[in-house]
Amino acid sequence: DAMVIQNPRYQVTQFGKPVTLSCSQTLNHNVMYWYQQKSSQAPKLLFHYYDKDFNNEADTPDNFQSRRPNTSFCFLDIRSPGLGDAAMYLCATSRDPGRGYNEQFFGPGTRLTVL
Amino acid sequence: AQKVTQAQTEISVVEKEDVTLDCVYETRDTTYYLFWYKQPPSGELVFLIRRNSFDEQNEISGRYSWNFQKSTSSFNFTITASQVVDSAVYFCALSEAGDMDTDKLIFGTGTRLQVFP
Repeated sequence: DAMVIQNPRYQVTQFGKPVTLSCSQTLNHNVMYWYQQKSSQAPKLLFHYYDKDFNNEADTPDNFQSRRPNTSFCFLDIRSPGLGDAAMYLCATSRDPGRGYNEQFFGPGTRLTVL
Repeated sequence: AQKVTQAQTEISVVEKEDVTLDCVYETRDTTYYLFWYKQPPSGELVFLIRRNSFDEQNEISGRYSWNFQKSTSSFNFTITASQVVDSAVYFCALSEAGDMDTDKLIFGTGTRLQVFP
């Protein structure tokens, strides 16, 4: 089945220790998104890639970076995690941009704990 | 400014009851799309429905139905004869046609539905 895969499902890191979360997709979608979702809150878009073009949301902290080496993979790097970065991180994809039309397909998320 | 409001933070019902989840949105675009997503305890958001701003027909899919009313900027979701498996957080979301390179979603804060046996 075509899908969005996130690894690991659970990640524990120490305060200030860099961490990388990964996302892969078999849907061959051109757009990939990273969201941060804190407990009992809505997902918050951090950034997205349209093909290789990176688009950062205005309020995404510099501490968060992303890489997309190819169509299938996208990585979220947190350079110096703080306690406030503990959250669920969701990866999503959509087809070629449809001016708001296309639904997004989500992975199961990675729950990040910062000690 | 775009905004989605889900005023109900949490709803609890007993199995077989009907339940309606409310969603109110704000947008200045004339072309936009409304979505509902389900987030079960496993965490993955699952797409349920999309509605475009020009189609106000209500939609029914099995036990699920959606009522879109532009006059009140609402897109409500009703589950008929609820089941325990319906327990999840439900998000309403808005996407505007103005963005050319994305299908960016603006989410509401979600409604947690608990269905008890």
